[in-house]
This record gives sequence, structure tokens and C-alpha cells, in this order.
Amino acid sequence: DVQLLESGGGLVQPGGSLRLSCAASGFTFSNYVMSWVRQDPGKGLDWVSAIDGSSSSTYYADSVKGRFTISRDNSKNTLYLQMSSLRAEDTAVYYCAKGSRAGTPYYFDFWGQGALVTVSS
Amino acid sequence: EIVLTQSPDALSLSPGERATLSCRASQSISSRYLAWYQQKPGQAPRLLIYGASSRATGIPDRFSGSGSGTDFTLTISRLEREDFAVYYCQPYGDSRGFGQGTKVEIK
Repeated sequence: DVQLLESGGGLVQPGGSLRLSCAASGFTFSNYVMSWVRQDPGKGLDWVSAIDGSSSSTYYADSVKGRFTISRDNSKNTLYLQMSSLRAEDTAVYYCAKGSRAGTPYYFDFWGQGALVTVSS
Repeated sequence: EIVLTQSPDALSLSPGERATLSCRASQSISSRYLAWYQQKPGQAPRLLIYGASSRATGIPDRFSGSGSGTDFTLTISRLEREDFAVYYCQPYGDSRGFGQGTKVEIK
């Protein structure tokens, strides 16, 4: 069974940094696009970033470009999101999502349970 | 960037009734690259439909998707209690944004 387990969430001050991890199992990790999607508590879904299977291409929402960096370690079956210069509006549950294929177009066929990031002083 | 507008924002129905949810795109979505997701309170989203009309693995046949171009529909033929949730549409070609969601609540 596919499993995605996020970790690294927590409380961070504005301007601070945090790194999220997503440990994947149950599929050949390097064969699929992986992505981060966030959700303000009580609000809708907001795509954040994506990375292809070989790490050759990365994509970012305008709202996080230049502040967030997505990466993956295929030897560890782990996806990362390095977040810096955090703002209050980055407060959300961050979901790790598996893409349906190695490249575009892809939909999200499996999701992790999410990691809560709170940016507050 | 394709903007998606879902309607209605909320739908109050009784178990056994039919639910019809709409997703309208600001520009045509190529090759019917549209997905629908279901999210229950406190849970992660779950894929229901991809390719506008193909059900994901394990999704009951009371869920069906249709549409093309800019207008898409998710239909739940007979609501069961576990179907009361929020539903999101998403194009997955060149765009990644989600619709704002439609909440299906128990009347």
C-alpha cells in the first residue's frame, strides 16, 4: 500500500525557517512526480510546489517562489520542502501528494495526512 | 493560470438524493485533464475522478464525472452518509490550482 508520512511541522516565528519531510513507501518513488499542497485551516487547497522523478525540474507557486525549495532523495524515498522567510500567511497544513506519473500531466492519486506549520510570534 | 469556479459553495441534501456539483474553468482545459477530490473533516483529500470521467481505484460507481472544455460536473447519484464532505476540482495539465470547493452537507 502507498504510504506518505509527513514530519517536521511546528511553530516558527515570522522570518524563520523550517524543513518538512515526507517519507514514502509502497511504490517506486523515483518513478513519480511528488508535490506539496497546503491548506489554511478551514479553507481550500493551495498547490505549493512539485518536483519530477529525477529532480531535473521543479515548480513553485508564485506565493512561495524564492522562499521555498523542494527536493527529493530517491535513495531514501523522501521528499523535502525547505521553507524560509516564513510569513503568517504560510500557516497551513502541508500535504505531501504523489503524482500519477513521472511527468506532466499528473493528478494526485495519494496524499499524506499532513503536517501543521504555524507561523506566529 | 486557469481559474476554477465551483458551484454551489454548499449543497444541503438528504441521504439517497442526487448531488450535482459544477466546476467552471476560465479557459478550456486540454484533453479533459480535470480531477475531482473528496475531503472529509480532519482527513487528507482523496482522489475520486481523473480525466474528467474516470473513477479512481476503489471509488463507488455512484460517483460519476462528465464535461469538457470549460464546464465539468461531478454527480453523486444517491448520497450515502459517508459522502457528506467537501469536493474540489483541479485541472492537471499546465495549471495546478484548485477550485474553492463545494461542501455537501446533510439536510
